[in-house]
Amino acid sequence: AQTVTQSQPEMSVQEAETVTLSCTYDTSESDYYLFWYKQPPSRQMILVIRQEAYKQQNATENRFSVNFQKAAKSFSLKISDSQLGDAAMYFCAYRSGGTKSSGDKLTFGTGTRLAVRP
Amino acid sequence: DAGVIQSPRHEVTEMGQEVTLRCKPISGHNSLFWYRQTMMRGLELLIYFNNNVPIDDSGMPEDRFSAKMPNASFSTLKIQPSEPRDSAVYFCASSPGLIPADTQYFGPGTRLTVL
Repeated sequence: AQTVTQSQPEMSVQEAETVTLSCTYDTSESDYYLFWYKQPPSRQMILVIRQEAYKQQNATENRFSVNFQKAAKSFSLKISDSQLGDAAMYFCAYRSGGTKSSGDKLTFGTGTRLAVRP
Repeated sequence: DAGVIQSPRHEVTEMGQEVTLRCKPISGHNSLFWYRQTMMRGLELLIYFNNNVPIDDSGMPEDRFSAKMPNASFSTLKIQPSEPRDSAVYFCASSPGLIPADTQYFGPGTRLTVL
């Protein structure tokens, strides 16, 4: 079974600075997808960014980018020019790209709570 | 375009009562997922449907939990009888289909408190 580990329960960043959230995962599959979701106090789960394992290029979405290291099974999220609205819980998630027997579910990490200091 | 809609947003009930959570997926999405979020267990998948058919319910904790999807635009998650340990935030998510590339879009969640 796949597992996703987020080793940083809490992080803090100064407004306008850059912060990196860590995520590692364990899988024997070669085809899969990785996601970062943001959960603000409103509880809404919002997709931030996704990465296909077969793509070598790191995904970017405006101020958000990932550092995907497939061999190391690492998938970190970098937030540049942090804003107060970035304060939230961030969840890393894994989804198998294989056959139906691998399941269609998202496997989530335990989350990292990000605080942004004004 | 409206996102995933869940109701109610908050539910407080007493142990032993029946609880029904509702979800309306994004129009055109064929797959629907029910997740539960607790401090102890994090986010876990309970059950998911594709084209209104339950595909995998192995995450449903007990027979007290049941889910239905009578049509493409509506699903329910029922707990009968409810227990205090069922207190959690329940999320519904939908995606266009079940191919791995399909992103799951989450609703705002229902916070359930069982006294």
